[in-house]
Parts: sequence; structure tokens; C-alpha cells
Amino acid sequence: GAVVSQHPSRVICKSGTSVKIECRSLDFQATTMFWYRQFPKQSLMLMATSNEGSKATYEQGVEKDKFLINHASLTLSTLTVTSAHPEDSSFYICSALGPGAGANVLTFGAGSRLTVL
Amino acid sequence: QKEVEQNSGPLSVPEGAIASLNCTYSDRGSQSFFWYRQYSGKSPELIMSIYSNGDKEDGRFTAQLNKASQYVSLLIRDSQPSDSATYLCAVNPSSGYALNFGKGTSLLVTP
Repeated sequence: GAVVSQHPSRVICKSGTSVKIECRSLDFQATTMFWYRQFPKQSLMLMATSNEGSKATYEQGVEKDKFLINHASLTLSTLTVTSAHPEDSSFYICSALGPGAGANVLTFGAGSRLTVL
Repeated sequence: QKEVEQNSGPLSVPEGAIASLNCTYSDRGSQSFFWYRQYSGKSPELIMSIYSNGDKEDGRFTAQLNKASQYVSLLIRDSQPSDSATYLCAVNPSSGYALNFGKGTSLLVTP
């Protein structure tokens, strides 16, 4: 089946630094990828929709200058958390939608747990 | 924001029993419905998808959809301790492909 690889799985950084998370579709081309964030005991909240070759679409309340998304190829989307603060500590999960992943079924990456000290 | 509502639980059932998980959604135009299982610290994994009214069975799992009532449920037969997890209901809204998730129901299957 379709596989989405996400890296790193865990990252700890100091406040004020930037962190990049990569999301790769391994066996299919993903024209659209979605970035979700999940705080403890909460649901997955959509942050942004990443479209290959165009600007990402951000959900209301998500700062596009803080959460930089790049989808430069059909198999790779990156999320960069800039000037991270402790409140950005969360579980970030990417998912991909593509021809090989089924009509409208999302395949999720394993998630990246960010801890900002 | 289109809402997806679930009881947070925890729902506790004995091993071998049927676990019943429920979900309601607000976007009447929604067409696709999914149940995901999420273990603590892990990302969600797809259990079932359902697109039309009625029941859909896959092994021990049965998804039920009633679009008129805007209600979708998941039944787990012969529950096992390994089924203990949080079950997320997800709905594909009438616009776009991103899923809206409920907060999840925590299921505990006791031996």
C-alpha cells in the first residue's frame, strides 16, 4: 500500500530556533499533502494544505510566516517551524493524497513530536 | 469550521464484547467518512471508510452510516485488549479533500 515517510520522528530544540520536518510519499506521487497538528488529548487540527508547485493554503489562525511549507516536488513536502516557542511543542503529522493512495483516502506519516525548550 | 463530534470516553468493554463507537457531523454535504485508530504517541491508521448509507463490514469491524441523521458509527465485535486505543472519526467535507477529525473516543478493552 501507499507509504508516507516523515522525518524526524522526534526533535528537541531551543526556543527561537527553526525546525524542518520532511514528508515524503515513497511509492506514489502526492499532488496534495496536508499538515496536521495534535496537542495532547486533542484531535488532529488541519494546519495547511500543501499543493505541489504552488503556495500552501493555511487554515484560519495558522501563521504562514511561522509555519513555512514547501512542496517542491510530487514526493516531498516540508514544514519549517520558524522561531519556535514552547507553545509550538506538539505532534505534527503529514498526510498525502495522490493517485496511488486511493480516490480520497489519506495516508498518514508516522508523525513528528516537537519539543521546544 | 465543520464539526465532528464524538464522546471522549473512556469506553470500557470486556474482552469478547461488542464495542460501539458513535460520531455525528455537521456538514450535511459530506460524502466520505472514515474511522481511524490511534495508539498513544502514534499517528492514525485507517480502519474503515464508508461512503453510502447502510452497513459496511470488514472482519470484526462494521461501519454504519446514516446521512439523514448525520451519524456514523463503528462496531467492533469480539473486542480484544489490542483494540484499546483512541478511535477517531473523520469526515471529508463537501469542499476539499482534507479531513475534519473528531476528538476521538478512548476505548479500553479489559481482559
